[in-house]
Formats: sequence, C-alpha cells, structure tokens
Amino acid sequence: EVQLVASGGGLVQPGGSLRLSCAASGFTFSSYSMNWVRQAPGRGLEWVSYISSSRSPMYYADSVKGRFTISRDNAKNSLYLQMNSLRAEDTAVYYCARGLRYSGYDWGYYMDVWGKGTTVTVSS
Amino acid sequence: EIVLTQSPATLSLSPGERATLSCRASQSVSSYLAWYQQKPGQAPRLLIYDASNRATGIPARFSGSGSGTDFTLTISSLEPEDFAVYYCQQRSSWPPVTFGPGTKVDIK
Repeated sequence: EVQLVASGGGLVQPGGSLRLSCAASGFTFSSYSMNWVRQAPGRGLEWVSYISSSRSPMYYADSVKGRFTISRDNAKNSLYLQMNSLRAEDTAVYYCARGLRYSGYDWGYYMDVWGKGTTVTVSS
Repeated sequence: EIVLTQSPATLSLSPGERATLSCRASQSVSSYLAWYQQKPGQAPRLLIYDASNRATGIPARFSGSGSGTDFTLTISSLEPEDFAVYYCQQRSSWPPVTFGPGTKVDIK
C-alpha cells in the first residue's frame, strides 16, 4: 500500500524551531518529487515547499523562504521540513504529498498521494 | 500571483443530483488546473489534473472541463461519499502553485 506518514509536529513558541518528517512506503521513493502543503485551522490549502527526486531543485513559498528548509534522504525513504523562526501564522496541519509522475516525467506540481498530516502550533 | 476563486462557497444537494462547481483564475492558466477533494479530518485527494484528466482510481462520475480562466468540476450523480470540500489548484505560475478557497458540497 502506498503510504506517507508525517510526524514531528507539536507546540512551539514563536521564534522556535521544529523538524517535520515524512516516512514513505509502498513505492519507489527515490523516483518521485515531494511537497509539503499546510492548512491553517478552518482554512484552505497552502503549498509550502517542493523537492525533486534528486534533491535539486527545491522551491519554497514566499511566506516561508529563508526560514524553512526541505530535504530528503532517499536511502531512508524520508522527507523532512526544518522550520526555523516560527510565527503564529505558521500554525497549521502540515501534509507531505507525493508529486505526480506522468508518462515517465515529473509533474510534481500536482500531488497524487498525501499523508495524514501533522499539527504544528506556534504559541506562547 | 494567480488568484483562484471558487463558486459557490457552499452547494447543497441531494444524493443522485448533479453537482457543478466553478473555479475562475485571475489570469489565464491554460489547462494547468487540478481539482482535489477533502473530507473532514482527512488529507486531500487528487481528482483531476490538467483540467480534464482523471487521476488513478477516480470514478467516472467526476469530470473536469475548461481552459484559460474558467473551469468546471462536474459530479454527474452524487454518491453519499462525495459530500466534501473541493479545491481547485493551478500550476501555471509554478513555482508556486496556488489553491482556491474551496467549495463545500453538503447534503440538502
């Protein structure tokens, strides 16, 4: 079964740091690009970051650029999001999501498998 | 940034009825638009990509159409499991991608 399981969320003070992880199983992780997408309480979806299958390129939303770092370890089938200088507006459920592959090409801007999400709360 | 608007905000229908959801872009996104379904407490699920291509495993009652700035997701006959929130997403300006605010389809 294709599965993504995000973890590492929690309560953190403004200005603090947190590292999210996403464990992948049931597919060849190293062949797929990956994304992080977040959803603030009662709100819609916001794309956060992308990393290609080979770790480059990486892209970020303007709202997190310079504060968040996406990475992956293909040997461990794992995706990460290092979040620094956290703000109240970063409070959200964070989903890891697999980029679509179509006809052998990366269409990673569309996301075809999603994990359950991990909750990040930034509050004093 | 390309802004997506969705209408209506809420659509109240009965099982078996046809649902028509709209997504409008602030500028042309060609056919680079996807639709996702999200149920309460669950992650989103990709339904349609590139405006009209059904994702793997998506039932044929879901169809997408449109190009440029105006797009439609149609559910031909609502099943009980289809009551959810639906988001459109564009990738024309990649990176980033942007999502619409969502349309909630609830039971009348």
